[in-house]
Amino acid sequence: QKEVEQNSGPLSVPEGAIASLNCTYSDRGSQSFFWYRQYSGKSPELIMSIYSNGDKEDGRFTAQLNKASQYVSLLIRDSQPSDSATYLCAVNGVDPSNTGKLIFGQGTTLQVKP
Amino acid sequence: KAGVTQTPRYLIKTRGQQVTLSCSPISGHRSVSWYQQTPGQGLQFLFEYFSETQRNKGNFPGRFSGRQFSNSRSEMNVSTLELGDSALYLCASSLDINNEQFFGPGTRLTVL
Repeated sequence: QKEVEQNSGPLSVPEGAIASLNCTYSDRGSQSFFWYRQYSGKSPELIMSIYSNGDKEDGRFTAQLNKASQYVSLLIRDSQPSDSATYLCAVNGVDPSNTGKLIFGQGTTLQVKP
Repeated sequence: KAGVTQTPRYLIKTRGQQVTLSCSPISGHRSVSWYQQTPGQGLQFLFEYFSETQRNKGNFPGRFSGRQFSNSRSEMNVSTLELGDSALYLCASSLDINNEQFFGPGTRLTVL
């Protein structure tokens, strides 16, 4: 079982719709969760971090965390063509020997169609 | 505040050579982590440095090494390059261990 799993997509949504991206993780003790956006040929850009159960909103983005079910999701409201990118879910290693290590999913490709 | 910088941005090397990549973290950040990104394997953790000490290392051969200087700048070195080392090498900095990590633009290494 992969440590962090995402559906590779592509996830295609029309402009103005809500895009929902999901991620599951295997280590129940994980504490920190991040969403990165990566445009083709560019490096990952941090868009959201979440540390406790519930929702966290930032502009058009909402991150949701459910530690009991071991999943974290990202909602993008009013999706724009400029949101078309690969979205990477990342989880901090729990073991003290895993400090500074982010474990990434393979990413979900989002396509927003005008 | 300036972001994470990496040099060089592009490198072409041949098998058997060695390469050194450099990373300057965001001012005030003391933790620097390195990742390798390939289409097949995705983003994989190489190692992490904090206050000049390697605190964590991923599952990569000993050909991959790194260090961190007193000003938090970091370098990674790959010796005896193999074709499979062709990848985007990313450096990320954070204020402290387990804080948010911010990535630099990466160094794209091509091994011929």
